Amino acid sequence: EAQVTQNPRYLITVTGKKLTVTCSQNMNHEYMSWYRQDPGLGLRQIYYSMNVEVTDKGDVPEGYKVSRKEKRNFPLILESPSPNQTSLYFCASSRGTGGNIQYFGAGTRLSVL
Amino acid sequence: SQQGEEDPQALSIQEGENATMNCSYKTSINNLQWYRQNSGRGLVHLILIRSNEREKHSGRLRVTLDTSKKSSSLLITASRAADTASYFCAPKETSGSRLTFGEGTQLTVNP
Repeated sequence: EAQVTQNPRYLITVTGKKLTVTCSQNMNHEYMSWYRQDPGLGLRQIYYSMNVEVTDKGDVPEGYKVSRKEKRNFPLILESPSPNQTSLYFCASSRGTGGNIQYFGAGTRLSVL
Repeated sequence: SQQGEEDPQALSIQEGENATMNCSYKTSINNLQWYRQNSGRGLVHLILIRSNEREKHSGRLRVTLDTSKKSSSLLITASRAADTASYFCAPKETSGSRLTFGEGTQLTVNP
C-alpha cells in the first residue's frame, strides 16, 4: 500500500531536548516536504527536498534541520526545541517536483513544555 | 511563494445541500489542487485542475478555474455528514517548484 509514514504520532518533550521525527515513503517519490499546522496560520512549509542530498528552506525553517540521505527517508530534527515549536507536523511526498499530487503522512502532534 | 486564500473561512450547511468554497491566488499557475483534511489528520488530495482547463468533475465534486480572475471554486453536491472537514486549495506557481497551502475552509455538514 502506498503510504507516507511518520513517527512518532504524538510526542511530549521539554525545552532543549533534541528530537527527531521520522518520515518514510514507499512510492519512490523524488520530492518530500515538512509542514507545520497551527490554528489561524494554516499549513506552512518548513523544509523540502527535491531529491537525495538536495534540501531547501521553506517558509518557516528556523529551529529545524532536515537531511535526505536516502530517497525514502526525510527526518525532521529539532536540535533544541522551544515551546513555540508546539504544533502539528506533516510530512508529504510527491513524484517529480512539489507541483504534483502530494501524499501526506498522518501527522505528528508535538508538545514542547 | 504564493498561497491560495480560501473563502469562506467556515461554512455550515444541512445534509443534502450543496457546498461551495472559493480560492483566490495572485500569480500565474501551472495547476491548482484541492485537498481535504479530516480533523487533525493528514491532507488527502481531491482533484487537480490544470491551467488550461476550466472545469473538472470527480464524483460529487466539481472544480472550476478562472485564470483571468485568478480564482477557483470547489462545489460539493448533495453533501453528507461525512464531508465535514477542512478544504484547502494549493496553487502551483508557474515559477517555483512547490505547492503552498492556506488556512482552508472549515465545512460542517449537519445531519
